[in-house]
Amino acid sequence: AQSVSQHNHHVILSEAASLELGCNYSYGGTVNLFWYVQYPGQHLQLLLKYFSGDPLVKGIKGFEAEFIKSKFSFNLRKPSVQWSDTAEYFCAVNDNYQLIWGAGTKLIIKP
Amino acid sequence: DADVTQTPRNRITKTGKRIMLECSQTKGHDRMYWYRQDPGLGLRLIYYSFDVKDINKGEISDGYSVSRQAQAKFSLSLESAIPNQTALYFCATSVGLRNEQFFGPGTRLTVL
Repeated sequence: AQSVSQHNHHVILSEAASLELGCNYSYGGTVNLFWYVQYPGQHLQLLLKYFSGDPLVKGIKGFEAEFIKSKFSFNLRKPSVQWSDTAEYFCAVNDNYQLIWGAGTKLIIKP
Repeated sequence: DADVTQTPRNRITKTGKRIMLECSQTKGHDRMYWYRQDPGLGLRLIYYSFDVKDINKGEISDGYSVSRQAQAKFSLSLESAIPNQTALYFCATSVGLRNEQFFGPGTRLTVL
């Protein structure tokens, strides 16, 4: 079965810094990949998704992610973070109609 | 006008009590899921249902049961709550092969 690793459990950045959050899944083939975000006190919302095609996908709020098949990775990036990006970020991969989740990365942006 | 709703939003109960958490959706999706979220552990799947007659155990089903009363309703029960079931519980729905999931607002459950 699939597994998902998110390497950084806590990340602290200053506003305007660049962000990259790592996500690796355990085996290849056709994969459907997701990043979800959970703002403080809120439910999970879809940030972006990859199904096929262009490996660089753009999501909401200036986020993007790059699917690198050879590295089994789907890293999340943002060139310049804002205080409002403070949240927990989860990577997930679809495996037989179940989403397999990473443990999450808590991102804190210092104003 | 939320598409996926959960009730109650917060619940405090005592050890040994029976608790039911409810989830309703207006998205028309066939698949529904129950997760629990604990700090540092991400989301763990409790039960999932592909339709009214198809219910499956997830990673951590012990101590929980579910009922799919209709396509739009999926309830989670804790028959005899224990303190380590204190967590944030989310319901989600999905449709299609890609399995993009849509989440409810969550229920924060505290078992004393």
